[in-house]
Amino acid sequence: AQKITQTQPGMFVQEKEAVTLDCTYDTSDPSYGLFWYKQPSSGEMIFLIYQGSYDQQNATEGRYSLNFQKARKSANLVISASQLGDSAMYFCAMREGRGGGNKLTFGTGTQLKVEL
Amino acid sequence: EPEVTQTPSHQVTQMGQEVILRCVPISNHLYFYWYRQILGQKVEFLVSFYNNEISEKSEIFDDQFSVERPDGSNFTLKIRSTKLEDSAMYFCASSEGGGRVGNIQYFGAGTRLSVL
Repeated sequence: AQKITQTQPGMFVQEKEAVTLDCTYDTSDPSYGLFWYKQPSSGEMIFLIYQGSYDQQNATEGRYSLNFQKARKSANLVISASQLGDSAMYFCAMREGRGGGNKLTFGTGTQLKVEL
Repeated sequence: EPEVTQTPSHQVTQMGQEVILRCVPISNHLYFYWYRQILGQKVEFLVSFYNNEISEKSEIFDDQFSVERPDGSNFTLKIRSTKLEDSAMYFCASSEGGGRVGNIQYFGAGTRLSVL
């Protein structure tokens, strides 16, 4: 089974609208972390937001929020007030275990296109 | 803002040649990683490094690969005899380790390796 599943290969959103990018995960480890990264066409990987499995509240970072539903094993990224510069590939990733140096496992990504 | 620096941004090499990809992690970070992304595919973990030794490696990281921290600032990935299938974007990442924020891995801009 895939550890991280992103079912939306591509998404379109109108500028200034909100958009939700889906991510489900699979782990039996009670301690894990979920991450979202943005990859623009230039190729770099930009950290956006992090949610720990024991965090009581959903993470927020500016226009980004993470809709964490632990029982459903989902960690959807919500981008509010989309901007043209948000057009990029978005990857969901998971770290399993408590260790500081544990690897990230990535999903296949969602290509977001923001339109005027 | 501190960042992970990778050089070169693009490396072209002939099949069978050795390449060294260089990274300067964020200065107070303790954990270092290499990932790769074949064009159009998801990001894959190669190796993690802590306290001057490999913590974990994937099945991709075979005897052709090695990592080194030759001094207090650089972290290198060597591919001994490149193959066509090694063509990919290689990302270096680092994390502080420990605590909530310490789990966040920050990525460099990547080195695009083209094997001809």
